Amino acid sequence: AQSVTQLDSHVSVSEGTPVLLRCNYSSSYSPSLFWYVQHPNKGLQLLLKYTSAATLVKGINGFEAEFKKSETSFHLTKPSAHMSDAAEYFCVVTHVSPGGSYIPTFGRGTSLIVHP
Amino acid sequence: NAGVTQTPKFRILKIGQSMTLQCTQDMNHNYMYWYRQDPGMGLKLIYYSVGAGITDKGEVPNGYNVSRSTTEDFPLRLELAAPSQTSVYFCASRQNTEAFFGQGTRLTVV
Repeated sequence: AQSVTQLDSHVSVSEGTPVLLRCNYSSSYSPSLFWYVQHPNKGLQLLLKYTSAATLVKGINGFEAEFKKSETSFHLTKPSAHMSDAAEYFCVVTHVSPGGSYIPTFGRGTSLIVHP
Repeated sequence: NAGVTQTPKFRILKIGQSMTLQCTQDMNHNYMYWYRQDPGMGLKLIYYSVGAGITDKGEVPNGYNVSRSTTEDFPLRLELAAPSQTSVYFCASRQNTEAFFGQGTRLTVV
């Protein structure tokens, strides 16, 4: 079975300080991993994705994530938080159902709070 | 190219009423999904489809039905609305690796 665990329900940072949002996954094969962002009352926007190419993935708005197979982790980072980064972030793994279908499975989300 | 379009954006239903949430995509994607989002729970899969005429249950299908008569459309039907179905519903489509999401439908059942 595949699952995604986002280790923090809330992360609070000051503007200009680094951001770390943690995600661990379990998968019986080489997974595809994603981070999506959801601003208040908005839809979901893809930040970045890992699909078995480079382990360090760069996304939009200065975010990046590193796939670490030995740690089954895919943590999201940003060197310097901006007020506009305040949002809900979802880690997603695509798993394969018993019937062979690709199913994106979501973590519970991490709410990023940015203080001025 | 509009992507994934959901209608309506908001709806209030009375207990026992029925409604259909519409979802259409213009990217010719085979995979389509319906999720519900509840606070602190992430997105839970209700139903999905791998192509026209093929649908399957996800994690939380009870109280819902779907159909996929065309590649473009994947409506979600609530037959007897219950307060537990108050949620935000997202439709998505996927080809290759990335999933594209609609803007969501906020449904309240009172």
